[in-house]
Amino acid sequence: GNSVTQMEGPVTLSEEAFLTINCTYTATGYPSLFWYVQYPGEGLQLLLKATKADDKGSNKGFEATYRKETTSFHLEKGSVQVSDSAVYFCALSSNQAGTALIFGKGTTLSVSS
Amino acid sequence: GAVVSQHPSWVICKSGTSVKIECRSLDFQATTMFWYRQFPKQSLMLMATSNEGSKATYEQGVEKDKFLINHASLTLSTLTVTSAHPEDSSFYICSARDWAASYEQYFGPGTRLTVT
Repeated sequence: GNSVTQMEGPVTLSEEAFLTINCTYTATGYPSLFWYVQYPGEGLQLLLKATKADDKGSNKGFEATYRKETTSFHLEKGSVQVSDSAVYFCALSSNQAGTALIFGKGTTLSVSS
Repeated sequence: GAVVSQHPSWVICKSGTSVKIECRSLDFQATTMFWYRQFPKQSLMLMATSNEGSKATYEQGVEKDKFLINHASLTLSTLTVTSAHPEDSSFYICSARDWAASYEQYFGPGTRLTVT
């Protein structure tokens, strides 16, 4: 079945450091891929998405490229801020009507000044 | 973008009572809604898929008689936790799929349930 594997955290960085959170997936067909962010005590917010191979999703300085050859969708940001501290979830959608997103286990990012 | 609301945002109830959580899609029609449960510092666990006008489909291990789901209209799904116990305390999150954009899934802000 479909699945998502994320690097385990926590990830601890200093402000302005480079961030990479790895995400790989297993799926049949052509899924859509997502990154969601959850700030403390809040629900999930869509950070970025990509719906086909080689698409790059980007938002708020974060980027991720849909790599079908390596089945990956790694999240990157060139210079993190303290306000980026949150839990990041990689997710996959099979694009079939009525099916739920499949989430990775989440990666906690902590940025210090 | 599309908005999904949940009510209440937090609730405290006594053991043995029932609690209803509402999930609404505010500006789109959702033929399918999903209910997730999230334990502290863990990922989201899909509990059930709710289809408008039909019975919900529950994931393995989820008690359908304890977690009653009703999807009465294209904009409203409810989750009722019956005879709640302290182990039911959790963060419950709903999401809705916009039928016009099949892969888009929008999340509610979550409901924090504490059973004392």
